[in-house]
Amino acid sequence: AQTVTQSQPEMSVQEAETVTLSCTYDTSESDYYLFWYKQPPSRQMILVIRQEAYKQQNATENRFSVNFQKAAKSFSLKISDSQLGDAAMYFCAFLLEGEKLTFGTGTRLTIIP
Amino acid sequence: DTEVTQTPKHLVMGMTNKKSLKCEQHMGHRAMYWYKQKAKKPPELMFVYSYEKLSINESVPSRFSPECPNSSLLNLHLHALQPEDSALYLCASSQGRGQGAYGYTFGSGTRLTVV
Repeated sequence: AQTVTQSQPEMSVQEAETVTLSCTYDTSESDYYLFWYKQPPSRQMILVIRQEAYKQQNATENRFSVNFQKAAKSFSLKISDSQLGDAAMYFCAFLLEGEKLTFGTGTRLTIIP
Repeated sequence: DTEVTQTPKHLVMGMTNKKSLKCEQHMGHRAMYWYKQKAKKPPELMFVYSYEKLSINESVPSRFSPECPNSSLLNLHLHALQPEDSALYLCASSQGRGQGAYGYTFGSGTRLTVV
């Protein structure tokens, strides 16, 4: 079974600064997908960014980027120019084709004005 | 606006009540899911309805029963719930086999309180 570990239960960052959230996973498969989801107090789980394991290039979506290290099984999320609206719970998630989405335990991000 | 619509947004029910949660998607997705999420925890998968087949997490008690009237709707029927069933219930959908790269699309959830 696949596992996803987020070792930082809580993080905080000054507004406009950069923060990195960590995620590691364990799998014996070589082809899979990784995601970061954001869950603000509004409760909806919002897809922030996705990475396909066979692609070596790190995914980027505006202020959000990932550092994907396949050999190390690491998938960290970098948020640049942090904004108040970035405050949320962030979940790292792993997906094998045909299997269920596996979530990490989450990191609560606080933005300090 | 979310592309997965859940109703109601909030529900308070007694332990003897019967209620239903509704989930609808119009994206043509072939798989739909129900998750239960307790505070400060990740979502836990309850049911999967994929390509007209239902898969059940064996740890889910029988007081929860899913129903899929058509490929766009996935209901969750609730009966004789316990206070520990109070949680956020999230519905999600995905495109299906071979489309894992797109991930899941989630609704905004139903906050359920059992009294």
